[in-house]
Amino acid sequence: GENVEQHPSTLSVQEGDSAVIKCTYSDSASNYFPWYKQELGKGPQLIIDIRSNVGEKKDQRIAVTLNKTAKHFSLHITETQPEDSAVYFCAANPTGNQFYFGTGTSLTVIP
Amino acid sequence: NAGVTQTPKFQVLKTGQSMTLQCAQDMNHEYMSWYRQDPGMGLRLIHYSVGAGITDQGEVPNGYNVSRSTTEDFPLRLLSAAPSQTSVYFCASSYGGGRYEQYFGPGTRLTVT
Repeated sequence: GENVEQHPSTLSVQEGDSAVIKCTYSDSASNYFPWYKQELGKGPQLIIDIRSNVGEKKDQRIAVTLNKTAKHFSLHITETQPEDSAVYFCAANPTGNQFYFGTGTSLTVIP
Repeated sequence: NAGVTQTPKFQVLKTGQSMTLQCAQDMNHEYMSWYRQDPGMGLRLIHYSVGAGITDQGEVPNGYNVSRSTTEDFPLRLLSAAPSQTSVYFCASSYGGGRYEQYFGPGTRLTVT
């Protein structure tokens, strides 16, 4: 199956700074790459996704980049705020019906 | 519109007991799935369904059974609970399968002693 690696596992940034989380995947058939945010005690929630025919996608302070040749994709959060503190998961989808998630990044934004 | 609901929120079982985790969605989604979340391991797919009467195995299906008799409901059954099944379980649904936004429920925290 697909193998998704995510780094770093923990990340602390000062409020207003940028945060970058990186993921790599192994299966070249993967063509859908979502990012989920999980707040304490809640289920994950989609924050942004990208498909393989696109190299970059932005939504306000959040952006995702994809390099299919190198099999890696990254989440960029600019102007971080305390409410961005959460666990973030990347995922890849090689078959259409099965997701493979990374191991998560715990982001702390220090006021 | 309640989205995806799961019951119970918490459950403690003894080794060997069986139970069913309930999941329901009111968005008329064809695709539903179950994940388990363990520390340091992310979310791993247990079983999924692409419609009523159709289920398939995910990455970690052993020890779990599912069925899908209606579009709305997708229960997960633990046949004989083991301590290794201590985890947080999430149900999710989506409009068009795995390549669309997954809507997750609030989770069930299960402890097996």
